[in-house]
Amino acid sequence: DGGITQSPKYLFRKEGQNVTLSCEQNLNHDAMYWYRQDPGQGLRLIYYSQIVNDFQKGDIAEGYSVSREKKESFPLTVTSAQKNPTAFYLCASSLTGASINEQYFGPGTRLTVT
Amino acid sequence: GIQVEQSPPDLILQEGANSTLRCNFSDSVNNLQWFHQNPWGQLINLFYIPSGTKQNGRLSATTVATERYSLLYISSSQTTDSGVYFCAVSSNDYKLSFGAGTTVTVRA
Repeated sequence: DGGITQSPKYLFRKEGQNVTLSCEQNLNHDAMYWYRQDPGQGLRLIYYSQIVNDFQKGDIAEGYSVSREKKESFPLTVTSAQKNPTAFYLCASSLTGASINEQYFGPGTRLTVT
Repeated sequence: GIQVEQSPPDLILQEGANSTLRCNFSDSVNNLQWFHQNPWGQLINLFYIPSGTKQNGRLSATTVATERYSLLYISSSQTTDSGVYFCAVSSNDYKLSFGAGTTVTVRA
């Protein structure tokens, strides 16, 4: 059963702690993405990776870090430098180099920092 | 980056009614997707439609790339159609830019 999994579904942390969100895909997609969604708004791109061991900053990368050591995995770390970390985080993946680069999304992780 | 505007921001429908959602974008695109976000937050792919017309059951979409807009049609709406509909676009890279969404409420 192919798809994108994110864990955990809900995450609670104290201010000042780093936290890592997991994203795994078994679609054999080359590219993976992290987006953030705040209440009542659209999604904004944090980081993306088109190939293993390479990634680029999106529009709101400050306070976040990523790694891409395996094709299937693209974890996101929310650091203590992120000023407003409470949000809904969505991971996506797509093929690259194809005429169709449709993105597919995981179920998301809701992070609450108090 | 590309600007994406969706209208209307909110739409209330009686079950069985038809509706049209609009997405305007500021530059040429090679990817345009419509999504439905359900109450649990999951983004469901509706259409990949950088140009042309597609239909899937009661939903259809049309993108006029030369005029930089796309339309999503919902016919014979059902309560399960409620949620937020997003349009997202990208050009020459793989980064999607999202609109703010249209919140659809279908009343029984």
